[in-house]
Amino acid sequence: QVQLVESGGGVVQPGGSLRLSCAASDFTFRDFAMHWVRQAPGKGLEWMAVIRNDGSRKYYGDSVKGRFTISRDNSRNTLYLHMDTLRVEDTAVYYCARDTGDPRWYFDVWGRGTLVTVSS
Amino acid sequence: ELVLTQSPATLSLSPGERATLSCRASQSVASYIAWYQQKPGQAPRLLIYDASNRATGIPARFSGGGSATDFTLTISSLEPEDFAVYYCQQRSNWITFGQGTRLDIK
Repeated sequence: QVQLVESGGGVVQPGGSLRLSCAASDFTFRDFAMHWVRQAPGKGLEWMAVIRNDGSRKYYGDSVKGRFTISRDNSRNTLYLHMDTLRVEDTAVYYCARDTGDPRWYFDVWGRGTLVTVSS
Repeated sequence: ELVLTQSPATLSLSPGERATLSCRASQSVASYIAWYQQKPGQAPRLLIYDASNRATGIPARFSGGGSATDFTLTISSLEPEDFAVYYCQQRSNWITFGQGTRLDIK
């Protein structure tokens, strides 16, 4: 069945870096834009970034612009999020999500998320 | 930033009752609103997109309406599995989410 599985979360110190991965299966990955969305503990949803199906365009939310980089490898059906200069307030569950198009800016398939904890 | 305000914050109802959730935008978003359901420990699930279109596999008891700045999600007759947190999301001006409405069993 259509599935997204995130990995790479963990505990990192403030100022550190981390790379998240999202493995896609059972759909044609290269046909869809992909997003990262996060959720701080007990809080709501915050959109992070989007990348078009061919990787040609990338857009970021204001809170992560200049610190996070979204990328993809269509040959490996994998989405990435490279996070630099991490802050305590970046602590959250990070979800990858499939766009309903390229992009249409809605999310119809989500992974189960990976927890990133930024703490000294 | 375009702000979405959901009300009420918490709604307590019984199975079989009708639920009406509200989402108000700080400026017009045309019909570019989606609704998601999230249960504890799970990822969100797309229910409605473009204000009134049900996503694939979503039961007919879920319906969406509204335009411009005022939107509603209606659940016509609550089932036990419908008690969850609901978020609205706009795509008119980048992407923002509302803060959520928690639907509790009364």
